[in-house]
Amino acid sequence: DAKTTQPNSMESNEEEPVHLPCNHSTISGTDYIHWYRQLPSQGPEYVIHGLTSNVNNRMASLAIAEDRKSSTLILHRATLRDAAVYYCIISNFGNEKLTFGTGTRLTIIP
Amino acid sequence: KAGVTQTPRYLIKTRGQQVTLSCSPISGHRSVSWYQQTPGQGLQFLFEYFSETQRNKGNFPGRFSGRQFSNSRSEMNVSTLELGDSALYLCASSLGTGLYGYTFGSGTRLTVV
Repeated sequence: DAKTTQPNSMESNEEEPVHLPCNHSTISGTDYIHWYRQLPSQGPEYVIHGLTSNVNNRMASLAIAEDRKSSTLILHRATLRDAAVYYCIISNFGNEKLTFGTGTRLTIIP
Repeated sequence: KAGVTQTPRYLIKTRGQQVTLSCSPISGHRSVSWYQQTPGQGLQFLFEYFSETQRNKGNFPGRFSGRQFSNSRSEMNVSTLELGDSALYLCASSLGTGLYGYTFGSGTRLTVV
């Protein structure tokens, strides 16, 4: 699986947008970009995934660079409940496992 | 709909003992994966089962094993427990491909003393 690089931690003010970056320079053409988050005392939670085009869902947006070597998870309006560790994961369709890195710990400031 | 259910939530065992953890996936999900989470190593993949067959395996010793039943429920067994096996064990289910996302349970916290 391709390796990902994320900042260890980030802070954001409540009700402001948050941009969480992820570098994955060794991504291959068939690799998908997945984002999961883990709230305290819970298992990871699926956030969003994409292949080449930008993606939106009710939780977040995923912006993928044209060369696919990086991506950004966008939380449009952060709330205190968004405080969690966010994991960017590269996974090949058919390779049914997730290789977690250390993720980004997001702190929301009231 | 009901989520992924893991039992028990907490467990304390003694070194050398064995332990069995259980996972009930979301109804209709045929794939069950297991992960170990420790402060030092983070989240690590153990194995994945689909239709009662192990389809994928991580880099863990043979003391870690699992199985899946015809109703997709899965069990994970750790034999000859070591102190280093103390961890949060997480189970995740999916329709059969992670392309549609995995749903994780809240985990079983295992403490080996």
